Amino acid sequence: RKEVEQDPGPFNVPEGATVAFNCTYSNSASQSFFWYRQDCRKEPKLLMSVYSSGNEDGRFTAQLNRASQYISLLIRDSKLSDSATYLCVVNIRAGNMLTFGGGTRLMVKP
Amino acid sequence: GAVVSQHPSRVICKSGTSVKIECRSLDFQATTMFWYRQFPKQSLMLMATSNEGSKATYEQGVEKDKFLINHASLTLSTLTVTSAHPEDSSFYICSARDPRGGNQPQHFGDGTRLSIL
Repeated sequence: RKEVEQDPGPFNVPEGATVAFNCTYSNSASQSFFWYRQDCRKEPKLLMSVYSSGNEDGRFTAQLNRASQYISLLIRDSKLSDSATYLCVVNIRAGNMLTFGGGTRLMVKP
Repeated sequence: GAVVSQHPSRVICKSGTSVKIECRSLDFQATTMFWYRQFPKQSLMLMATSNEGSKATYEQGVEKDKFLINHASLTLSTLTVTSAHPEDSSFYICSARDPRGGNQPQHFGDGTRLSIL
């Protein structure tokens, strides 16, 4: 079983739609959680950290459920520029090493 | 601006060539840097942790004699793919953590796209 699992998609949505991505992680000792965005042939960029109480940044809302070992990302009012691959990332081990999920591809269409 | 610089961004070379990739932290000192590899339509996989002044720590299944890592200074780590073959073609990305903290768990380089013919 993979340490961090995501639905690969692709999710094809129209502009303005709300879309949600899910992620599960296997190690209950995981410490920190993040969502990264990766554009084609580019390095990943931090979208937002995920906190236990849930957090929001503009159109983006992240939730963490430690009991279920589940992380989510909600994108409201999708823009064409949101088209990318969204990576669920977990800090599992000491030493600040990050473990990446396989990514979920989002395509927002006019 | 970029805080981690990776060079070169693109390499195309013949099979059997050794390729060196550099990763530099630009405005902080990094005792630890990380090297990842990403095949098409797959996620980033950690290859090794580069430790300044000591041997790198390799992930299971990564050949240390194939992927040589040198972290000779606090701002530079290099990854050398020795005798590269077509199956080594991939996107290689380095990262480093700023010890001063901040909201970024790691800063990533721009990546190196390696194509072996």
